[in-house]
Amino acid sequence: SYELTQPPSVSVSPGQTARITCSGDALSEQYVYWYQQKSGQAPVLVIDKDSERPAGIPERFSGSSSGTIVTLTISGSQAEDEADYYCQSIDNSGPYPVFGGGTKLTVL
Amino acid sequence: QLQLQESGPGLVKSSETLSLTCTVSGGSVSSSGYYGAWIRQPPGKGLEFIVNIYYSGTTYYNPSLRSRVSVSLDRSKNQFSLKMTSMTAADTAVYYCARALRDTSGAWGFPHWGQGTLVTVSS
Repeated sequence: SYELTQPPSVSVSPGQTARITCSGDALSEQYVYWYQQKSGQAPVLVIDKDSERPAGIPERFSGSSSGTIVTLTISGSQAEDEADYYCQSIDNSGPYPVFGGGTKLTVL
Repeated sequence: QLQLQESGPGLVKSSETLSLTCTVSGGSVSSSGYYGAWIRQPPGKGLEFIVNIYYSGTTYYNPSLRSRVSVSLDRSKNQFSLKMTSMTAADTAVYYCARALRDTSGAWGFPHWGQGTLVTVSS
């Protein structure tokens, strides 16, 4: 089955830039979505179709793509950005959506 | 503002069938292009896609769960529902319903989620 690979954890100091990567063999052909999930809450879409920011998402969140690696960047990280982040795309063999394993972002 | 709300039992016995319903407000499951989805998350673990259902009734399953899962639309109640058979402790999870949008690359994104409902499977 198709897998999306994320680092388990990323740490950043307040005000610094956090980068979370997601890799997958077919990501150059498919859009990727990024979700933020704070403890005890439902996921929230923070990046749409590789790099679009939905309404209400702060400008410090951005997405980029380079070949089979996509990156979520949080510029000027804040304490409130501490959460789990998941990338998501599709497995074309289905097709059906697949999620990466998630990355825990710590801001300290 | 689209809102989704899951409902169903919080406790299911091992080997029994789970039934969950997602009630949609602020939008219609009968609208052209509407996809409803079920996604779950075991405690302390990541997100796992279960199934999508299109407004026409077309379905897309996670192949690892397909043999145990069915999904349906109730247009009169603006709901979609999940059934999962032969539940085991490994199925203990928070179950989310969501609205999915399909993009030009064929991928789906999930811009709207319900709050989730915890389902515990007991022996």
